[in-house]
Amino acid sequence: EDKVVQSPLSLVVHEGDTVTLNCSYEVTNFRSLLWYKQEKKAPTFLFMLTSSGIEKKSGRLSSILDKKELFSILNITATQTGDSAVYLCAGGSNYKLTFGKGTLLTVNP
Amino acid sequence: DSGVTQTPKHLITATGQRVTLRCSPRSGDLSVYWYQQSLDQGLQFLIQYYNGEERAKGNILERFSAQQFPDLHSELNLSSLELGDSALYFCASSEQPGLATDTQYFGPGTRLTVL
Repeated sequence: EDKVVQSPLSLVVHEGDTVTLNCSYEVTNFRSLLWYKQEKKAPTFLFMLTSSGIEKKSGRLSSILDKKELFSILNITATQTGDSAVYLCAGGSNYKLTFGKGTLLTVNP
Repeated sequence: DSGVTQTPKHLITATGQRVTLRCSPRSGDLSVYWYQQSLDQGLQFLIQYYNGEERAKGNILERFSAQQFPDLHSELNLSSLELGDSALYFCASSEQPGLATDTQYFGPGTRLTVL
């Protein structure tokens, strides 16, 4: 059975800190690793990673995939209170998508 | 606003009942996905339709069914409801059929409460 595990489950930081969120996966016929941000509403797409070792960046957020060790990390630099959210990762094949339980990030001013 | 619409926003019903949730995808998107999010199970993929045909099936119970109509809107039918079906149900859409390779845009969700 496919499995995606995220750590830590929750994290409290101060504005300006840098955080690293972890995601490990076991997905049969793996195609991609996806990151989403969920505030008090629907998830919004952040990154899709299909190739190992290639960093994807969007502003202060970046993510990388290691297909040999089966994990991905999401980095957020210079955190802001608006980064407070649940961050979800998901591992997918052509016919299945499995989500982790998420990391709750709280950024205090 | 993602462009995906879901109705109703909230639904309260009793055990044993049947409900229908509706989703309209973004203009031009042919794929529709349904997800269930509960506190204990997290976000779970239920089912995907692409251009009217079922394409992928996740953890969808036999009491649940879905379909995508010619105008591409989709409905998720939940029957013989149990207390444990109380959850937030999301619909998402994408242009292409790639479950894991296409960017999905999520609707605002329908919160179902079963009493």
